[in-house]
Amino acid sequence: EAGVAQSPRYKIIEKRQSVAFWCNPISGHATLYWYQQILGQGPKLLIQFQNNGVVDDSQLPKDRFSAERLKGVDSTLKIQPAKLEDSAVYLCASDGGVGEQYFGPGTRLTVT
Amino acid sequence: AQSVTQLDSHVSVSEGTPVLLRCNYSSSYSPSLFWYVQHPNKGLQLLLKYTSAATLVKGINGFEAEFKKSETSFHLTKPSAHMSDAAEYFCVVTHGSGNTGKLIFGQGTTLQVKP
Repeated sequence: EAGVAQSPRYKIIEKRQSVAFWCNPISGHATLYWYQQILGQGPKLLIQFQNNGVVDDSQLPKDRFSAERLKGVDSTLKIQPAKLEDSAVYLCASDGGVGEQYFGPGTRLTVT
Repeated sequence: AQSVTQLDSHVSVSEGTPVLLRCNYSSSYSPSLFWYVQHPNKGLQLLLKYTSAATLVKGINGFEAEFKKSETSFHLTKPSAHMSDAAEYFCVVTHGSGNTGKLIFGQGTTLQVKP
């Protein structure tokens, strides 16, 4: 079974630029999550989707971050404009409803 | 509110000796608890999970963890460390056993394995 796919793996941008990350979950997994992992810390949930609906986006900085999952499969996470403190690894995970989240390899974002 | 505290930020062991990574949790609900491992430049991998069944949980690669409600602990152990075990380990709590919902991660413990 194919795992969670993410792209790009690495991205370097300047502050105030915009960036987008893409995630393709495991086939059939209805629930998709985006996490932010700052260096030296554990991942923190940004947003949770159930199919194409948002379940929890309480920790998403909505003034600059947005995410969508239009057809209930792939998802994109966007940052506009980026700040230095957005430098982190952005992880996507999916859940098939059996109590386990599967994580992708992540996108490492560096904002200069 | 739910939270986890990993009591050691860094653990160093010699190859072939036991591993103990400590985790305490706080939860208002009956928790589900997990241990994830993260190797450098790799994604998070589930080691094991506790979801209110047996309190001693066996995972992959010889790891196991014991849920102790009276101590609110979920420590991770392995009888004999291997060089390939060197990685970052995260203790994680959530509520519910079906759809996991929001995972709350600890700060992580770096395991170093010396030859």
